[in-house]
Amino acid sequence: SQTIHQWPATLVQPVGSPLSLECTVEGTSNPNLYWYRQAAGRGLQLLFYSVGIGQISSEVPQNLSASRPQDRQFILSSKKLLLSDSGFYLCACLPAEMNTEAFFGQGTRLTVV
Amino acid sequence: SQQGEEDPQALSIQEGENATMNCSYKTSINNLQWYRQNSGRGLVHLILIRSNEREKHSGRLRVTLDTSKKSSSLLITASRAADTASYFCATDAPNDYKLSFGAGTTVTVRA
Repeated sequence: SQTIHQWPATLVQPVGSPLSLECTVEGTSNPNLYWYRQAAGRGLQLLFYSVGIGQISSEVPQNLSASRPQDRQFILSSKKLLLSDSGFYLCACLPAEMNTEAFFGQGTRLTVV
Repeated sequence: SQQGEEDPQALSIQEGENATMNCSYKTSINNLQWYRQNSGRGLVHLILIRSNEREKHSGRLRVTLDTSKKSSSLLITASRAADTASYFCATDAPNDYKLSFGAGTTVTVRA
């Protein structure tokens, strides 16, 4: 079965510092990968998704970027964090055929101070 | 932008009662899924219903889909305190790899 590893679980970073959140997937090949952000008490906002190595689609213009250097690795980055980047970040994996459930990592709570 | 919108935003019920929440979406879909999120955690999959299906059951959960109205409902029967969580619908569309979520319904089950 599929497993997603997402780390770290909690992160406190100063404004202007860089960010790197990593997500790795086990148990599947060539998955679709997603990064979401969730503000407190709100829904999930799709930030980026990827259907293959090096293929990144961005949903919302912002201070973040994503990369997929390997088939089962998805990285969320920022060169300089803003206060508004605070939130709960979730990585998700969906098999390429899309006709099944998505698996989620446990999330990273990012606080920019 | 979010594809699905859940209704109501919040729901408070007594243990043993049924909880019903709805999801409306804007464009044609392939699949609609319901997820549950306990506070501060990742999402757990509950049920997937395909666009050619009208109803699915899983334990105490019942999901319906009305593609003509672009809406779905999730019914939790005989609710328990452990059902307290946020519930989200998610959709994927033909020829599209996005998985879009609604804003969610927060359910509180009182003992």
